[in-house]
Amino acid sequence: EDQVTQSPEALRLQEGESSSLNCSYTVSGLRGLFWYRQDPGKGPEFLFTLYSAGEEKEKERLKATLTKKESFLHITAPKPEDSATYLCASGREGYQKVTFGIGTKLQVIP
Amino acid sequence: DVKVTQSSRYLVKRTGEKVFLECVQDMDHENMFWYRQDPGLGLRLIYFSYDVKMKEKGDIPEGYSVSREKKERFSLILESASTNQTSMYLCASSLWSGSSYEQYFGPGTRLTVT
Repeated sequence: EDQVTQSPEALRLQEGESSSLNCSYTVSGLRGLFWYRQDPGKGPEFLFTLYSAGEEKEKERLKATLTKKESFLHITAPKPEDSATYLCASGREGYQKVTFGIGTKLQVIP
Repeated sequence: DVKVTQSSRYLVKRTGEKVFLECVQDMDHENMFWYRQDPGLGLRLIYFSYDVKMKEKGDIPEGYSVSREKKERFSLILESASTNQTSMYLCASSLWSGSSYEQYFGPGTRLTVT
């Protein structure tokens, strides 16, 4: 059974304090590893897809990386508007559905 | 921009009522999904559809059914609503295109069953 585990469950940072969120996965035949941002009361917003170990993608203060067992979402010099829940999900070869982690709730304090 | 819309943002229904949640996407995506999201449990897949009139059960299909008569529209039906179906319902559509994948979500429907 595919599993996606995110840590920590919650993270509180001062504005400008860089950190990383972790997503570990066990998927047979990974087709893609996905990151989403979700604001309270809204649907998840697609951020990145990573397809193979060693791949990196960036968007503003966010950088996602992928190894054979984990993905990291690095947040550099975060701002209060980066506060949200970040979701990780995996997709398996030959399957249309994806498996989601529970998410990391990030709070950035001014 | 991909757009996934859901018919209601908030819905309040009584126990035993039949409930319809509608989802429409405008990007010609083949795959559509219904999830529910509950605190501490994350996103759980109810049903998905990979083509018109095709559907597959997800992880928690009990108490739900779906309908996909047109490519852009995917409906979730609660045959007889119960209080344990109070939740946030999220529709999504996705496209695998060669080696790239995109999945986009609607804004969600917060359903309360009393």
